[in-house]
Amino acid sequence: DAGVIQSPRHEVTEMGQEVTLRCKPISGHDYLFWYRQTMMRGLELLIYFNNNVPIDDSGMPEDRFSAKMPNASFSTLKIQPSEPRDSAVYFCASSFRSYEAFFGQGTRLTVV
Amino acid sequence: GIQVEQSPPDLILQEGANSTLRCNFSDSVNNLQWFHQNPWGQLINLFYIPSGTKQNGRLSATTVATERYSLLYISSSQTTDSGVYFCAVNRLSNDYKLSFGAGTTVTVRA
Repeated sequence: DAGVIQSPRHEVTEMGQEVTLRCKPISGHDYLFWYRQTMMRGLELLIYFNNNVPIDDSGMPEDRFSAKMPNASFSTLKIQPSEPRDSAVYFCASSFRSYEAFFGQGTRLTVV
Repeated sequence: GIQVEQSPPDLILQEGANSTLRCNFSDSVNNLQWFHQNPWGQLINLFYIPSGTKQNGRLSATTVATERYSLLYISSSQTTDSGVYFCAVNRLSNDYKLSFGAGTTVTVRA
């Protein structure tokens, strides 16, 4: 398996624009997680899915953020409109039940 | 939520030295993982170790679940060991989200 695949690897956008981050989990994994990493807050969980259903979105910072998982092999995290304070590295991870989680390479987002 | 504390926050080592990183957690856990974040930002899985001891080359880890801590040992450190080491846990409940510690930044000097 190729592991968790995220795209794009880097994204630079202007404030106010819509940003869509994409994730393909490892085949057979039933949990998918979106994390954000910043210097100030470290690694924080934004939302996670089980069998494509959102379970806990309490970490989503505000209504500008939304996430979907239309099928077992694809998820998106959308920010609309984007703001400079959204600049961070966004990671997607997947696991089978509560067992070992594997992370993608991350998307480095810069909002100018 | 569960609290995860890592120590020390920073560690500077001379190449060839040994070191121990510690992770304390505040509740019973279902899963504990150690990750290495390399200078390119990638999170590399080191160990999945909810209990017991495991070894992988120069690295080993021990988790004492009853006492709520885990240790990561680095022996004969190399410059490629530099980076941030994270401990992450999820609680012994139906809660599968991993909570991360703040990490230990390791710098290995040649």
